[in-house]
Amino acid sequence: DVKVTQSSRYLVKRTGEKVFLECVQDMDHENMFWYRQDPGLGLRLIYFSYDVKMKEKGDIPEGYSVSREKKERFSLILESASTNQTSMYLCASRPRTGGGYGYTFGSGTRLTVV
Amino acid sequence: GQQLNQSPQSMFIQEGEDVSMNCTSSSIFNTWLWYKQDPGEGPVLLIALYKAGELTSNGRLTAQFGITRKDSFLNISASIPSDVGIYFCAGQIQGAQKLVFGQGTRLTINP
Repeated sequence: DVKVTQSSRYLVKRTGEKVFLECVQDMDHENMFWYRQDPGLGLRLIYFSYDVKMKEKGDIPEGYSVSREKKERFSLILESASTNQTSMYLCASRPRTGGGYGYTFGSGTRLTVV
Repeated sequence: GQQLNQSPQSMFIQEGEDVSMNCTSSSIFNTWLWYKQDPGEGPVLLIALYKAGELTSNGRLTAQFGITRKDSFLNISASIPSDVGIYFCAGQIQGAQKLVFGQGTRLTINP
């Protein structure tokens, strides 16, 4: 069964901490994405990567960075966590071509910044 | 960023009722997708549509790709308690690697 695995389901961090959210996929997909989900706002794209070491900003990149050193792993980094970054974070992947164009999502990481 | 207009934002229905939701856009899409998110989980793909006018079913779910390529709808017939969740539409523009998502429709079912 193909999978996108997010390393933590729940995280609680303090304001100002550097936070790493990890995502691993086992489908050899080129494209990987990080979204945050907030009530009433749907899914908002933070960053995406279409190849190793490649990244592009999404709609809300401020306060975030990413790392893609290996094809299967895409990390989201909160440089200095703030309370307004409390949210559900979803990782997704898809192949560059084919695959029905759909994303495969991870189960999400619910981050609380206190 | 670009978003799809999805409606309604929430629905409260009785078990057994039919459900209808839709997405519209000012842009033309080549692909429309419908996802469902169960509480505490990531979204899961329900139906994918690739051609204008296409009507596709998956069990009690039916989705259509609008003729203008700017809209899509999802119908659920005879709702059951496990249909509870958030439904998202998503569209892909020709050549784009990323999807554009709607805001979601939260479905609540009273038994």
